[in-house]
Amino acid sequence: GAVVSQHPSWVICKSGTSVKIECRSLDFQATTMFWYRQFPKQSLMLMATSNEGSKATYEQGVEKDKFLINHASLTLSTLTVTSAHPEDSSFYICSAKTGHLTGELFFGEGSRLTVL
Amino acid sequence: RKEVEQDPGPFNVPEGATVAFNCTYSNSASQSFFWYRQDCRKEPKLLMSVYSSGNEDGRFTAQLNRASQYISLLIRDSKLSDSATYLCVVNSGGYNKLIFGAGTRLAVHP
Repeated sequence: GAVVSQHPSWVICKSGTSVKIECRSLDFQATTMFWYRQFPKQSLMLMATSNEGSKATYEQGVEKDKFLINHASLTLSTLTVTSAHPEDSSFYICSAKTGHLTGELFFGEGSRLTVL
Repeated sequence: RKEVEQDPGPFNVPEGATVAFNCTYSNSASQSFFWYRQDCRKEPKLLMSVYSSGNEDGRFTAQLNRASQYISLLIRDSKLSDSATYLCVVNSGGYNKLIFGAGTRLAVHP
């Protein structure tokens, strides 16, 4: 099956710093990637939809200037958490789909961010 | 009201038991339905899609009732390895995104 790789798998940073998370589709071209956030014992919440070559579409309540998304190629999307604060500590997961795999998403392994 | 609601759980069952999870969704225009499994601190993985006629995959049976906007997952002959959180997932009717339920935790004990 399709493989999505996410890096780093975990990161600890100081408050006020920026953290970049990469999401790569390894064996297919992902025209669309999704970024989710999951707090402990809660469901995955969609943050934004990233389309290659265009601006990301953010969900209501998600600050686009704080969570910068870049989808510069068909195999790579990045999420940058700018000026991270402890409340940004969460599990961030990306997913990707190709045009013909309707509905099915392939998930990255997730990145656990801890902001001190 | 949440777009996708699931049984609160957790379900604690012995090995060999049959367990059923329920899920309701609010968007009547939704077209695609799935059950995902998520192990602790891991990413979700697709368990099975849910089709209108109902479908079975080994010990797992999924049912969809569009009129009631209700989805179910039945697990027969539970195994210890079935212990996980089961996520009900629905597409946001006509738009290319999936909405996840909060999940139902299953713990199978010897």
